[in-house]
Amino acid sequence: GENVEQHPSTLSVQEGDSAVIKCTYSDSASNYFPWYKQELGKGPQLIIDIRSNVGEKKDQRIAVTLNKTAKHFSLHITETQPEDSAVYFCAASRGTGFQKLVFGTGTRLLVSP
Amino acid sequence: GAVVSQHPSWVICKSGTSVKIECRSLDFQATTMFWYRQFPKQSLMLMATSNEGSKATYEQGVEKDKFLINHASLTLSTLTVTSAHPEDSSFYICSARDARGQSNEKLFFGSGTQLSVL
Repeated sequence: GENVEQHPSTLSVQEGDSAVIKCTYSDSASNYFPWYKQELGKGPQLIIDIRSNVGEKKDQRIAVTLNKTAKHFSLHITETQPEDSAVYFCAASRGTGFQKLVFGTGTRLLVSP
Repeated sequence: GAVVSQHPSWVICKSGTSVKIECRSLDFQATTMFWYRQFPKQSLMLMATSNEGSKATYEQGVEKDKFLINHASLTLSTLTVTSAHPEDSSFYICSARDARGQSNEKLFFGSGTQLSVL
């Protein structure tokens, strides 16, 4: 089955800096890669996703890149703000219908003012 | 994005009692819902896949008689933790896929239920 690894486990940056979180996956058939932000005591919130037919996707300060050959994808957050502090999870799946999502181990991001 | 409502947000119960958690898709129909369990500072672990009108599919190691799942309609799935014990204390999160449209791989999560068994 699919296995998703995520690094780093913790990341501390100063406000305004960029943050990068990286994930690798094992199943070459995976074609959908979402990123979730989870704040303490809450459920994960989808912040951006990418399909395997796209190499990069951007939404304001957030971007995701995908390298299918190497089977890794990354989350980039620019101009970080204290409210970006949370746990971020990457995930992978084969896409539609009943296909389950396999999550990475999470990255705790701390943005200091 | 789509809204998934989960209740209760927290519950404390005595050992041996049963607890029911509800998961509702508010503005879309969900033929498939997923139940996850999360321990402190850990990732989400899939427990089971809930399919409307049929039996749930459980992940390896998850006791189906312990964690009863019912998905009776396209907008509601319930998880019942039967005869709860302290080791069942955890954060339970449901999620749902919008069955319509071309973006039906998107998974939306409820706000989670913190279960504490005394």
